[in-house]
Amino acid sequence: DVKVTQSSRYLVKRTGEKVFLECVQDMDHENMFWYRQDPGLGLRLIYFSYDVKMKEKGDIPEGYSVSREKKERFSLILESASTNQTSMYLCASSSSGTGRQPQHFGDGTRLSIL
Amino acid sequence: GNSVTQMEGPVTLSEEAFLTINCTYTATGYPSLFWYVQYPGEGLQLLLKATKADDKGSNKGFEATYRKETTSFHLEKGSVQVSDSAVYFCAWGPTGGSEKLVFGKGTKLTVNP
Repeated sequence: DVKVTQSSRYLVKRTGEKVFLECVQDMDHENMFWYRQDPGLGLRLIYFSYDVKMKEKGDIPEGYSVSREKKERFSLILESASTNQTSMYLCASSSSGTGRQPQHFGDGTRLSIL
Repeated sequence: GNSVTQMEGPVTLSEEAFLTINCTYTATGYPSLFWYVQYPGEGLQLLLKATKADDKGSNKGFEATYRKETTSFHLEKGSVQVSDSAVYFCAWGPTGGSEKLVFGKGTKLTVNP
């Protein structure tokens, strides 16, 4: 089974802090994704990556950056955390095989910015 | 633009009731279609998928048929259980280019004993 592991289930940080959310997958997937999930808004894509050192903006990249130095790891960075970034963050990965491959998700990090 | 529209919840049913969650999509070409489920406190899990018109995806008693003529992928289950209580997301994947998925906003289902 594919395993996508997010480093923290719950995280509390203060306004203005630099926050790192880490995600690791163990299936050698090319693609990795960061979403945030908010009530009534569903999942919104923040950033995604097709390969090491590659990144593409999603629908809501403002206030975030990402890093993918190794294939298995995809980090989401909040450069200066703000209260409106309080949310559930979900990481996912998928392979680039033929046909549309499903995404596999981690259990999420619930981030609170005080 | 490209989108997925799901019926708004929450949906509350009694055990053994019939379930339908409607999903329609707006997309060009021939997308693949997915249903994901999110149990409380967990991430999303793939429930079922269909990759071409008239395909039927099925898993754990759930079914959905890819209807290109109505651009729909409605989720059904004949007899729900308390353990089916979760949030259900419909999604589609574009036919070419990126591996991104477009998700609906989710439908929360509560099944009472």
